Amino acid sequence: DAKTTQPPSMDCAEGRAANLPCNHSTISGNEYVYWYRQIHSQGPQYIIHGLKNNETNEMASLIITEDRKSSTLILPHATLRDTAVYYCIARPTGAQKLVFGQGTRLTINP
Amino acid sequence: EAEVAQSPRYKITEKSQAVAFWCDPISGHATLYWYRQILGQGPELLVQFQDESVVDDSQLPKDRFSAERLKGVDSTLKIQPAELGDSAMYLCASSPSAGLRTDTQYFGPGTRLTVL
Repeated sequence: DAKTTQPPSMDCAEGRAANLPCNHSTISGNEYVYWYRQIHSQGPQYIIHGLKNNETNEMASLIITEDRKSSTLILPHATLRDTAVYYCIARPTGAQKLVFGQGTRLTINP
Repeated sequence: EAEVAQSPRYKITEKSQAVAFWCDPISGHATLYWYRQILGQGPELLVQFQDESVVDDSQLPKDRFSAERLKGVDSTLKIQPAELGDSAMYLCASSPSAGLRTDTQYFGPGTRLTVL
């Protein structure tokens, strides 16, 4: 599985867009980019995933660069409840387990 | 919205005792995973079931850990005897079917184990 690199921590003001970067420069063509988040003392929550194209759902948008070596998760209007650890995972098609890194601890400030 | 259920949410035990955790996946999900998360780290897979069969238990410490999913629905993870280093969050996840191009895993709330 491709290794992903994320900043250990980030801060964002409430109501602003939170942009979380992820580097996956060794990603291969059959690996999807998945994002999960984990609010304190809870299980990880699925956010979004994509392969090549940008994706959007009710929670977030995922922007993947054309060369697929990096991506950005965007929370358009961050709230205090978005404070969590965000994990970026590169996962091969049809793969089984998720391989989690250290993630980014995002703090939303009032 | 369907959820993965786990119990208990918290468990405190003394070392050398036996502990068991239970997981009920989302209805219809064929694949079930048990992960362990040590404080400050990301979750790591312990064991994966496809229906009632184990498909990956390479990271399961088999001298003390066991897992079963007898009828291919709910699952139990057991530790006997518990050691101090087993203190962690134990997470259960399920997905519709492994092997699909994209097979999203959904996690339960976890069981926080403290071994004294």
